[in-house]
Amino acid sequence: KNEVEQSPQNLTAQEGEFITINCSYSVGISALHWLQQHPGGGIVSLFMLSSGKKKHGRLIATINIQEKHSSLHITASHPRDSAVYICAVRSSYNTDKLIFGTGTRLQVFP
Amino acid sequence: DAGVTQSPTHLIKTRGQQVTLRCSPKSGHDTVSWYQQALGQGPQFIFQYYEEEERQRGNFPDRFSGHQFPNYSSELNVNALLLGDSALYLCASSRRFNTGELFFGEGSRLTVL
Repeated sequence: KNEVEQSPQNLTAQEGEFITINCSYSVGISALHWLQQHPGGGIVSLFMLSSGKKKHGRLIATINIQEKHSSLHITASHPRDSAVYICAVRSSYNTDKLIFGTGTRLQVFP
Repeated sequence: DAGVTQSPTHLIKTRGQQVTLRCSPKSGHDTVSWYQQALGQGPQFIFQYYEEEERQRGNFPDRFSGHQFPNYSSELNVNALLLGDSALYLCASSRRFNTGELFFGEGSRLTVL
């Protein structure tokens, strides 16, 4: 079993829909990152969370430390949001490396 | 301000050959981490360099080695290439004690034939 699990693996939406991507982890963490990877391969860091909730534009990320769960929400989705969204955690006993989920592939159609 | 730059962007090698990939971190960053991402998978941690030393290592064989230079740039070397080494190799830079500021390069896509 992977230390970081994401669901769903694939997600298709119509433009304007509200999107939720989930991440569960089994290790103690010092921080959780949400990342976006476009087809070319480059990765962009969207959020780093250690508690609570963060918002940036149409993106909202939440984390529940007790339940070891985080969600990434996209409001009013747009085709340019189409990408792979990856959850990665920094374990509390080894903060030097990130442990990645396998990603959620999102496609938003006009 | 250039972000993280990696070179080459694409390369093709044959089994048994050796490859060197390069990474220049974002200005002001002193820590470089390397990741391997196989097709359809999430990235896997290879190792991290800080102050020109390997600080942490993931579950990769000794064929994978690296180096960090005084200007904080880094190289990843892979010897005796195997077909399974075909992947996207990503470099990420950060400041040692500010891991929230994390930037990735576009990656080097290695194909081993």
